[in-house]
Amino acid sequence: NAGVMQNPRHLVRRRGQEARLRCSPMKGHSHVYWYRQLPEEGLKFMVYLQKENIIDESGMPKERFSAEFPKEGPSILRIQQVVRGDSAAYFCASSPEQGAQPQHFGDGTRLSIL
Amino acid sequence: AQSVTQLGSHVSVSEGALVLLRCNYSSSVPPYLFWYVQYPNQGLQLLLKYTSAATLVKGINGFEAEFKKSETSFHLTKPSAHMSDAAEYFCAVSEGTGNQFYFGTGTSLTVIP
Repeated sequence: NAGVMQNPRHLVRRRGQEARLRCSPMKGHSHVYWYRQLPEEGLKFMVYLQKENIIDESGMPKERFSAEFPKEGPSILRIQQVVRGDSAAYFCASSPEQGAQPQHFGDGTRLSIL
Repeated sequence: AQSVTQLGSHVSVSEGALVLLRCNYSSSVPPYLFWYVQYPNQGLQLLLKYTSAATLVKGINGFEAEFKKSETSFHLTKPSAHMSDAAEYFCAVSEGTGNQFYFGTGTSLTVIP
């Protein structure tokens, strides 16, 4: 899973600040998925993107969360006005095409809200 | 809709003993099934996957899992536990198209020397 790169590995923010999480997919992969892992829970799907398109955002909270995957550069998961409940590990996965299995996961970003 | 249930959030086995981690799924379409392992502060590593071929799937590190449609199960086993197997294990189901995974809540495996 070293092929999917996420940064930062750890991010600390105060309530009300913005958090930006980055994900660079494996080389040649144009599909990116974001998952959130709350303490003592499994991963929950958030959003699925292709280059310049959001394909499925059914798992994204309605407010404060947004994601993008530009033509150039990494995918960004942005959380505005963070709250304590946003503290979690956020994982990114990539695949070369829709329907390709399996997804390759990054090592995650651990977000802590003070 | 898909879902995954992992029975037993914590499992302890002695070194050298059989490892059995349970996973039951529900799916409205033929499922793709996966087991992932997560070591502390790391991402998920794929152990094995079932994608409608052989029902007994062999993975890395001596793990294997058997797809049983009649029981809607995909339990993970390893004949002899090693200390390095101590980790969190997640079962996941995908419908194969759309590519979204649904994960179980995980089973923490402890190996006792």
